[in-house]
Amino acid sequence: AQSVTQLDSQVPVFEEAPVELRCNYSSSVSVYLFWYVQYPNQGLQLLLKYLSGSTLVKGINGFEAEFNKSQTSFHLRKPSVHISDTAEYFCAVSDRGDTGTASKLTFGTGTRLQVML
Amino acid sequence: DTGVSQDPRHKITKRGQNVTFRCDPISEHNRLYWYRQTLGQGPEFLTYFQNEAQLEKSRLLSDRFSAERPKGSFSTLEIQRTEQGDSAMYLCATNQGADYNEQFFGPGTRLTVL
Repeated sequence: AQSVTQLDSQVPVFEEAPVELRCNYSSSVSVYLFWYVQYPNQGLQLLLKYLSGSTLVKGINGFEAEFNKSQTSFHLRKPSVHISDTAEYFCAVSDRGDTGTASKLTFGTGTRLQVML
Repeated sequence: DTGVSQDPRHKITKRGQNVTFRCDPISEHNRLYWYRQTLGQGPEFLTYFQNEAQLEKSRLLSDRFSAERPKGSFSTLEIQRTEQGDSAMYLCATNQGADYNEQFFGPGTRLTVL
């Protein structure tokens, strides 16, 4: 069984400041890792994903995340946030399937990023 | 807009009524997933299809829930004898099963059971 822990339910930050949203996962098998963003009244949108290879992955809107296998973490970072980054952020994990393709996602409880002027 | 559509966007019903939601995937996507998201929580997996075959169902999916994808295109999720605890956002996601791992999410159907 897999689980995802997002350690912070809310993160307030001033505009142009850096931010890190933390994510830890637990799984007995190799996994794929994802970050999704959910803007108010909108569906989930993929920010970035780690499938294999380089542990530092870059996504849309200036976000990046680093996969750390020994610490089972996949923290999301942005060096300078904008007011438009205010949203709910979800970390998710998926088992590598038999054919190497992802199957169902297991999500964390989310982190609300509140960017302040 | 991800290209995945869901209908209706909102549904209010009385306890004990049946409701049905529809999801239309991106046309070439052969995998379709249903998730449920309650307030303050992340989405939880309910079930998924590869083409018309339902390959996995969560223990969250009680006997009152049924999902179909009759021709491997759109899917329906039906809840019979709704309960207040069924109030949630129901999300549909789709992807291409081979070599494409990103799931594209629809906007969701918000169900309120009175």
